[in-house]
Amino acid sequence: DAGVIQSPRHEVTEMGQEVTLRCKPISGHDYLFWYRQTMMRGLELLIYFNNNVPIDDSGMPEDRFSAKMPNASFSTLKIQPSEPRDSAVYFCASKLGTSYEQYFGPGTRLTVT
Amino acid sequence: AQSVSQHNHHVILSEAASLELGCNYSYGGTVNLFWYVQYPGQHLQLLLKYFSGDPLVKGIKGFEAEFIKSKFSFNLRKPSVQWSDTAEYFCAVNARNYGQNFVFGPGTRLSVLP
Repeated sequence: DAGVIQSPRHEVTEMGQEVTLRCKPISGHDYLFWYRQTMMRGLELLIYFNNNVPIDDSGMPEDRFSAKMPNASFSTLKIQPSEPRDSAVYFCASKLGTSYEQYFGPGTRLTVT
Repeated sequence: AQSVSQHNHHVILSEAASLELGCNYSYGGTVNLFWYVQYPGQHLQLLLKYFSGDPLVKGIKGFEAEFIKSKFSFNLRKPSVQWSDTAEYFCAVNARNYGQNFVFGPGTRLSVLP
């Protein structure tokens, strides 16, 4: 099992540019989570999906952020336009059914200059 | 709303010292509790979890945690740390009425000196 895969691992972009982060969950897992980690706010849940459907997006900071899950094996988190305060490590995690154990990906370190 | 606090930002210990990392949460209902560990350059990994039953739970690598409901606490312990335990440790809470929402603490960085 390859685990949760995220790409890119590092992204440096200029303010105002669109950024797309990608995640491939573990095969068979039906829940997918997007988190953001910063020094100031720690690890925050942004949104999670169940069976490709967004269930709770209350953690999405603002309209500049959007997430999609077009199929069971792929999800994107998009920031448009990006701002310096979006700089953080973004983690994707997946889990199976009623198990509470989430499996985290390696994260994408985003730097917006 | 749920929140999780961790007592220490950075803990420095020598090898063989005993470890206790504090975690407190604010939620009055039934909760599931977790400790995750993030070794340098690696993913977050589950260390141990508590759902119900015996409040003293054992995890991997000799770690254990005790749930004290009256204190809203879930402290992590290890009797004798090793250099390889150097990592960041996160406490997390899932309130059962909040679906799959997990709230993580700010993390405690543990440095073990050889």
